[in-house]
Order: sequence, then C-alpha cells, then structure tokens
Amino acid sequence: AQKITQTQPGMFVQEKEAVTLDCTYDTSDPSYGLFWYKQPSSGEMIFLIYQGSYDQQNATEGRYSLNFQKARKSANLVISASQLGDSAMYFCAMRAIIQGAQKLVFGQGTRLTINP
Amino acid sequence: DTEVTQTPKHLVMGMTNKKSLKCEQHMGHRAMYWYKQKAKKPPELMFVYSYEKLSINESVPSRFSPECPNSSLLNLHLHALQPEDSALYLCASSLRLAGRGETQYFGPGTRLLVL
Repeated sequence: AQKITQTQPGMFVQEKEAVTLDCTYDTSDPSYGLFWYKQPSSGEMIFLIYQGSYDQQNATEGRYSLNFQKARKSANLVISASQLGDSAMYFCAMRAIIQGAQKLVFGQGTRLTINP
Repeated sequence: DTEVTQTPKHLVMGMTNKKSLKCEQHMGHRAMYWYKQKAKKPPELMFVYSYEKLSINESVPSRFSPECPNSSLLNLHLHALQPEDSALYLCASSLRLAGRGETQYFGPGTRLLVL
C-alpha cells in the first residue's frame, strides 16, 4: 500500500527566504506520481507541482521546485523567495490506481507560516 | 482553465434536513471526486466517478448519496446527517496531461455544519 509521510507539522520562515517542505513516500509500484497541493485558510486545494517516477529531471513550476530523490523515496517541495501569500497548509500526495480509478494518498500536511 | 465550482460555499443543516451539494466543471475531465476534510487533517476520499459511473465508494454511510447526472456535474445528496459529519466537502475533477499524469483539480469546497 502507498504511504506518504510529512514529518514537519509546522514551519516558520522569514519572508524572502527559501523553504523546503519534506515528504517521503512508500510504494511497491514501479510507476507512480507525486503531487504537492497548497491549501490556504479559504479551503481550496491548489495544485502546485507534479513529479512522475520516470521523470529524469526534477519538476519546476515558477518559484516551486521538487527535489526528487528516488533512491531515498523523498519528494521535497522547495519554495524560493517566500512571500506572505505562501502561508498555508501544504500536502504531499501520491497517486494510487484502484479499480481503474485514481485515488490520491495524502500526507498529514505541513502548516507553513511566512513572517514579515 | 482549471476551474471547478462548488455551491453552496457554506451550509448549515439540521439532522432531519435534506440538502444537496453541487459541483461543476467544464474542462472535459473524465473523472470527478468527492472528499471530506476535517479540520487540520488531509482530505479523505468518499466517491469517485469515472465516465459518469461510480467507480469507488470508500464505504461511505448511506446518508451520503452521490449522483453524476452528466459529465460536467456532480451532486452529493445529504440526508439525516450527524453532527460529526460537519466538515469541508471538496469536489475535484481530473484529466490526464502529457508529462503530468492524471492531475486532480479541486473546487473551493462547501463548509458544512450539522446541528
């Protein structure tokens, strides 16, 4: 069974600093996908970035990059030049295929607070 | 465009009421999902519809009844709920994109309070 572990319940970072949110995963499937979502206090889950297990390069989307270390089964999210608007809950997730349909397995999340 | 809309944004209902949550997407996504999220917890999958057919029911109590009238619309009918059902209900839809796999896009959610 797939499992996602996020070991940082909360993080506090100064504005403009870079921040790394940790995510480790466990799966026996050779093909898998990893996602990061941001959830502000408003509630909406915002898709940030995706990494496929066969992707040769680390994914990047603007200020977001994913530090994918396959051998260590880690998929850490790096946010460069943090902004006050980055304060939110961040979830790492893995795709699982069940009965032909996709299911996301989520970690417990990390609450990120950016201080001015 | 990755917009998923949900109505209402907030809902307060009594334990004897019947209400419905609505979710809509016009992106041609093939799959739609309902999640329940309690405070400070990750979302929990409830139902998955694939090509308008129910493909996953995560052992959800029958007081929650999903419906997919067409490929753009997903409803969640609520009846005789309990106070512990109070939560944020999130809808999502997904599309397989080149280089990205099947990515789920979420709506803003409905905050439900059962009294």
